[in-house]
Amino acid sequence: QQQVKQSPQSLIVQKGGISIINCAYENTAFDYFPWYQQFPGKGPALLIAIRPDVSEKKEGRFTISFNKSAKQFSLHIMDSQPGDSATYFCAARAGGSARQLTFGSGTQLTVLP
Amino acid sequence: EPEVTQTPSHQVTQMGQEVILRCVPISNHLYFYWYRQILGQKVEFLVSFYNNEISEKSEIFDDQFSVERPDGSNFTLKIRSTKLEDSAMYFCASSEMDYYEQYFGPGTRLTVT
Repeated sequence: QQQVKQSPQSLIVQKGGISIINCAYENTAFDYFPWYQQFPGKGPALLIAIRPDVSEKKEGRFTISFNKSAKQFSLHIMDSQPGDSATYFCAARAGGSARQLTFGSGTQLTVLP
Repeated sequence: EPEVTQTPSHQVTQMGQEVILRCVPISNHLYFYWYRQILGQKVEFLVSFYNNEISEKSEIFDDQFSVERPDGSNFTLKIRSTKLEDSAMYFCASSEMDYYEQYFGPGTRLTVT
């Protein structure tokens, strides 16, 4: 129940295309959903995050869509660029005293020039 | 921009040896975390720390692990007797408050031979 399931495992997109990565969860106590971007040899970098009181959050080319009833959320990268090529992790955190982030398994995104 | 720093970047040790991984969290942050990532796998929570106490730990964080904030700036993870399966990237993270975003350091790659 603590898992966050992420798909696809890998994604190849042409420059200028839309990249879509999906995550699903079971634990209804999760109330914070961040996305992290990780380049090889680096730590995860916070990209964008959403709380379940909104259905969508947009920051530049990055948008999170959140469907509370389906317990799903997704990351959309518009106008994908080669520099976006990285591994993307969704994560979730329960409310209350819990502070740990539960990560998805990651999506390796390759944007072709 | 403030960032989490970690030393060393790479540590090689022999099985059974003790290792200490060091982190300097962002200066005004109060909550500290350790995560690990086995090569090619997802990021896994180990422990969270606040007010000089462990506030949450995972099943991975057994008696071989300990954390300490020895002074006002450093946060350390000690593994008492390393095993081959401890080989992983270890990430330190910090957050200003417990419900705020967690920022990750670049990681320490631990190789146990």
